[in-house]
Amino acid sequence: QVQLQESGPGLVEPSGTLSLTCAVSDGSISSSNWWSWVRQPPGKGLEWIGQIYHNGRTDYNPSLKSRVTISIDKSKLQFSLKLTSVTAADTAVYYCVLNGAFSLASWGQGTLVTVSS
Amino acid sequence: EIVLTQSPGALSLSPGEETTLSCRASQSVSSRYVAWYQQKAGQAPRLLIYGTSNRATGIPDRFSGSGSETDFTLTITRLEPEDFAVYYCQQFSSPPMYTFGQGTKLEIK
Repeated sequence: QVQLQESGPGLVEPSGTLSLTCAVSDGSISSSNWWSWVRQPPGKGLEWIGQIYHNGRTDYNPSLKSRVTISIDKSKLQFSLKLTSVTAADTAVYYCVLNGAFSLASWGQGTLVTVSS
Repeated sequence: EIVLTQSPGALSLSPGEETTLSCRASQSVSSRYVAWYQQKAGQAPRLLIYGTSNRATGIPDRFSGSGSETDFTLTITRLEPEDFAVYYCQQFSSPPMYTFGQGTKLEIK
């Protein structure tokens, strides 16, 4: 089963850019798969951020679209998330996910990103 | 945007009991597009059910899903101690978008 591991700064300053990377354990990054980012503010529910296909096609949550970029680097077996102009409301645990059939099948362990000065 | 409303928000039960969790959509959703997740404290969510009624790999058969159009349910029979967690329903819609219910917290009595 594929393993996913998020990495990146745990603290980002307000108005800055949040950047995370998800390492994929095997060559499935190059297969016909969709990969997503999901976040969860402390003590709250889940919010889908967006997804990327192996060929680079992306879809984003309309509420975040103007600030989000998801990219993929198959040579490095990873995909990435950038979220610009962050505020305290962007403080959350961020998960990278392998999509399943209209579902989110395999999740990384998550990484907490705090927006604070 | 389709809104999912889960009920109850929380409930307390004892091991061995059976429970049914509800997820209601603000408009009709294809049964292919509904999934359920379990999340334990400090852990990532785990996919339980996809396509309304299909168990994900390794999910015990005491978990079952059903429903159609706007009303979907997750039933857990013979509750085990490890089943006490938060459960989320999810739907997929076009243009591509995943949305989640607010969650149901299942607590041990």
